[in-house]
Amino acid sequence: RKEVEQDPGPFNVPEGATVAFNCTYSNSASQSFFWYRQDCRKEPKLLMSVYSSGNEDGRFTAQLNRASQYISLLIRDSKLSDSATYLCVVNWGGGADGLTFGKGTHLIIQP
Amino acid sequence: DGGITQSPKYLFRKEGQNVTLSCEQNLNHDAMYWYRQDPGQGLRLIYYSQIVNDFQKGDIAEGYSVSREKKESFPLTVTSAQKNPTAFYLCASSNIDNSPLHFGNGTRLTVT
Repeated sequence: RKEVEQDPGPFNVPEGATVAFNCTYSNSASQSFFWYRQDCRKEPKLLMSVYSSGNEDGRFTAQLNRASQYISLLIRDSKLSDSATYLCVVNWGGGADGLTFGKGTHLIIQP
Repeated sequence: DGGITQSPKYLFRKEGQNVTLSCEQNLNHDAMYWYRQDPGQGLRLIYYSQIVNDFQKGDIAEGYSVSREKKESFPLTVTSAQKNPTAFYLCASSNIDNSPLHFGNGTRLTVT
């Protein structure tokens, strides 16, 4: 069974703090990985792709651990505007039926 | 600007009526998708299409129908056979490889 698991939260974090959350996946043959951000009642928007070597975009760092089958997202110096739900997406390859979305982790940055 | 457009943003229908949701993209993407999202739930795939005039059922296709007559357009019809049609519907497109999906801004359908 192809599953993607995320801690739903909510994670309540003070502004300026560093926060990290993981996403585990069940299929070791997974080929590509993404983090999306979804604001309340809006569409998901691509935050970053996740590469084997790990990648960084400003305050955001994504890493892939194939041995333990999880990806992570780290947010440094968190801002109020980072409050959102973060969706993990795993692609097992070969078309749309290879894409599986996690249910998301809800992050709340508090002033 | 390239993008993917869904319309309308909000749609209200009476039970027993069919309704069609529009999705148009000018990103020249080959693949298009329809997802449904319910409160507190992940996205569930309804239908997808990787080429014009061809489409495949997703995990929850019952009560829905689609067409792909043009590369740019992938409308979704919610039929009266769909038992719980009230939901947030998201259309997406991508290239046919491991590229990420680009989403439209969604249609919130309420059936009473």
